[in-house]
Amino acid sequence: GESVGLHLPTLSVQEGDNSIINCAYSNSASDYFIWYKQESGKGPQFIIDIRSNMDKRQGQRVTVLLNKTVKHLSLQIAATQPGDSAVYFCAEKPTGNQFYFGTGTSLTVIP
Amino acid sequence: ETGVTQSPTHLIKTRGQQVTLRCSSQSGHNTVSWYQQALGQGPQFIFQYYREEENGRGNFPPRFSGLQFPNYSSELNVNALELDDSALYLCASSSAGTGGTEAFFGQGTRLTVV
Repeated sequence: GESVGLHLPTLSVQEGDNSIINCAYSNSASDYFIWYKQESGKGPQFIIDIRSNMDKRQGQRVTVLLNKTVKHLSLQIAATQPGDSAVYFCAEKPTGNQFYFGTGTSLTVIP
Repeated sequence: ETGVTQSPTHLIKTRGQQVTLRCSSQSGHNTVSWYQQALGQGPQFIFQYYREEENGRGNFPPRFSGLQFPNYSSELNVNALELDDSALYLCASSSAGTGGTEAFFGQGTRLTVV
């Protein structure tokens, strides 16, 4: 089976600091990697994705880095805000239709 | 809001019963996927429907079944409920034409089996 794991289950950062959430994956054949944010009582919300032929992609205040050599994915959030507090999931999509989600990292932003 | 709506939001069932969960996909999306999310875990893929046909299935027993309708809405049916079926059930809609990575999730149905 697939294995998508996160290095840290919880992360606390000061408001305004940058956050880095890490993720390890196991399937070298995955085409896409996606980050989702899930707030309490809500479904996961798409943040950003990256294709396997890229090593970096930037969005609004977020950057995803992909290191295929060590099968590592990270999400960087710039100038973290209280509204960023949530559980963050990485997911990988090998060929086919199934997403494999990790167990999540809980981010708490301290005002 | 994603435009994906699920009903009901909460449900309590007894072991052995059957349950039907419903999902209305976002306008323009023809693909619906269902996930089970146990407390403190990431979502686990159950199956996907595309143009009313099952288009991929995860490691779930046959008592988990589904339907997709011509308007692309979908149902998840679970027979012979077990205590371990207690979870948040999420549906996600996407458009196959985009490669399917930007899936939009509903708020989920919290199922409790007692």
